[in-house]
Amino acid sequence: DAGITQSPRHKVTETGTPVTLRCHQTENHRYMYWYRQDPGHGLRLIHYSYGVKDTDKGEVSDGYSVSRSKTEDFLLTLESATSSQTSVYFCAISESTEISNQPQHFGDGTRLSIL
Amino acid sequence: KQEVTQIPAALSVPEGENLVLNCSFTDSAIYNLQWFRQDPGKGLTSLLLIQSSQREQTSGRLNASLDKSSGRSTLYIAASQPGDSATYLCAAAGNQFYFGTGTSLTVIP
Repeated sequence: DAGITQSPRHKVTETGTPVTLRCHQTENHRYMYWYRQDPGHGLRLIHYSYGVKDTDKGEVSDGYSVSRSKTEDFLLTLESATSSQTSVYFCAISESTEISNQPQHFGDGTRLSIL
Repeated sequence: KQEVTQIPAALSVPEGENLVLNCSFTDSAIYNLQWFRQDPGKGLTSLLLIQSSQREQTSGRLNASLDKSSGRSTLYIAASQPGDSATYLCAAAGNQFYFGTGTSLTVIP
């Protein structure tokens, strides 16, 4: 399995509090992604990174920020959590979308509940 | 924006049956198409990746095909087993990865 670790795996917090999720990889892959998975919506891209300090928005980026100060770490921050951000969050990595034989690998997810 | 659709949303079959899962996408300008399996409460496991220049890819009892011109991919599972029960997702790779909502498969012993 690809070396991807998400932390924490589970978190319960209150509306209005800041939350940071961490994704750590040992594969030295260039691209890292944060998705959220909700019933009826599938996986939706929040933000992605194509290198250290290089990030871009995905489909559902409002209310989220990211940072990548090292190749191996990609952080997702909810500045002021809302109940609509209750979801399962997945981190993924890939060498590139353009290298056509390079698959995307996923972490085990973080289940976040905001009360 | 790429739209990826998977039909049916759920499928139930008896053990031993061969089955086909469908994935359609609106933009044919993709680099590859990937099929994943997701077990309840777990992450996604990559099953097969078909490059844009390929027509199909095989792994064991799984065979995935790709027809870019029609915007379709299929995942064929031969001789289904109860252990195949899971949700199967496809993802089209363009400038980003775009996912379908998945097909939930139940194989009945």
